[in-house]
Amino acid sequence: AQKITQTQPGMFVQEKEAVTLDCTYDTSDPSYGLFWYKQPSSGEMIFLIYQGSYDQQNATEGRYSLNFQKARKSANLVISASQLGDSAMYFCAMREELGEKLTFGTGTRLTIIP
Amino acid sequence: EAQVTQNPRYLITVTGKKLTVTCSQNMNHEYMSWYRQDPGLGLRQIYYSMNVEVTDKGDVPEGYKVSRKEKRNFPLILESPSPNQTSLYFCASNLSGGLYNEQFFGPGTRLTVL
Repeated sequence: AQKITQTQPGMFVQEKEAVTLDCTYDTSDPSYGLFWYKQPSSGEMIFLIYQGSYDQQNATEGRYSLNFQKARKSANLVISASQLGDSAMYFCAMREELGEKLTFGTGTRLTIIP
Repeated sequence: EAQVTQNPRYLITVTGKKLTVTCSQNMNHEYMSWYRQDPGLGLRQIYYSMNVEVTDKGDVPEGYKVSRKEKRNFPLILESPSPNQTSLYFCASNLSGGLYNEQFFGPGTRLTVL
């Protein structure tokens, strides 16, 4: 079974609008961490934001916030006031406490339209 | 500057010709990993290492070898490359185990096996 599911292969969003990238996960481990990475066309992986399973508040980092709904096992990334430079591939990933790896979703390609 | 470096960045080779992709980190991280990225599949872990001389298989280890003789280096070896190993490869490192440990990624190595 997929541990991380990103159901939106591609999205087009108008510049300055907010965008939500979906991510659902599957784990029986009560302790886990969720990550979002950005991969621009140049290829590097850029860490954006982290949410721990026991964190009481949703994580925020500048224009990025994570809409964490534990009961629904979802960890959606919200980008406010999108910019052309936000066009990239976005990956959701999870680390379980007993694991030594990040398990990645298949990614969402976001395109910001001027 | 704290970083993970990989060499080469681009490589075109032929089936069966042994190759090594080097990876080095200057952050004194204990954990290092190799991932491969393929379209529609996201990133998948090949091997990881928790410390010098300690390595273990990830999700897709077939056809690859690794070694960790020094803390800073974690080379990926393809003894007999095949076309299905054509992919984008990332080396990553993180300080230690634990949920919140941001993985720092290298710039990637694009490998083509003819």
